[in-house]
Amino acid sequence: DQQVKQNSPSLSVQEGRISILNCDYTNSMFDYFLWYKKYPAEGPTFLISISSIKDKNEDGRFTVFLNKSAKHLSLHIVPSQPGDSAVYFCAASARANKFYFGSGTKLNVKP
Amino acid sequence: DAGVIQSPRHEVTEMGQEVTLRCKPISGHNSLFWYRQTMMRGLELLIYFNNNVPIDDSGMPEDRFSAKMPNASFSTLKIQPSEPRDSAVYFCASSTSGRARNEQFFGPGTRLTVL
Repeated sequence: DQQVKQNSPSLSVQEGRISILNCDYTNSMFDYFLWYKKYPAEGPTFLISISSIKDKNEDGRFTVFLNKSAKHLSLHIVPSQPGDSAVYFCAASARANKFYFGSGTKLNVKP
Repeated sequence: DAGVIQSPRHEVTEMGQEVTLRCKPISGHNSLFWYRQTMMRGLELLIYFNNNVPIDDSGMPEDRFSAKMPNASFSTLKIQPSEPRDSAVYFCASSTSGRARNEQFFGPGTRLTVL
């Protein structure tokens, strides 16, 4: 059974608008969360992370929000750009090194 | 740095054949991970090594799969015999281990097709 779930396989957003990607997890022992971005024919690359002691982490246009009570995290991209079109994976960890990944959400940012 | 190197990039084989995937981690990284990506299950961790020692192989689907890391700069994932359901993209990743949660750096992947 998957412990990290991304229920939206795809998302389409207009350039300049906000993109919101969602992720749910089931294991209450997870205390570190990450987002990875993947372009076609390339490996995933790290985007942003958040520890469970925080509820928000911001890096430029990217912000990750964590709601521990709901076991939910989200990635906000503002403003969205066509170059952001990629597959986004969320991941969670309960201890060093072992990450559990979701199935990914394909974001399409339309010019 | 060249990043994580994987070979081959594409592999097409027939059911029953042995398949060997190769990975060279980033120099200085002492943790290595093998993942499989499928449409249904996303990115699944198969096995990971720390200082060349297998730490967790609970994700290895069955005995047909095996992985080795004979030294700090090389690892293999072998499937024998291969089956059509093994078709997927296999990624290798590396990181520095320690108490911090360090990001994993992924290779470009090997797309495996078993006919």
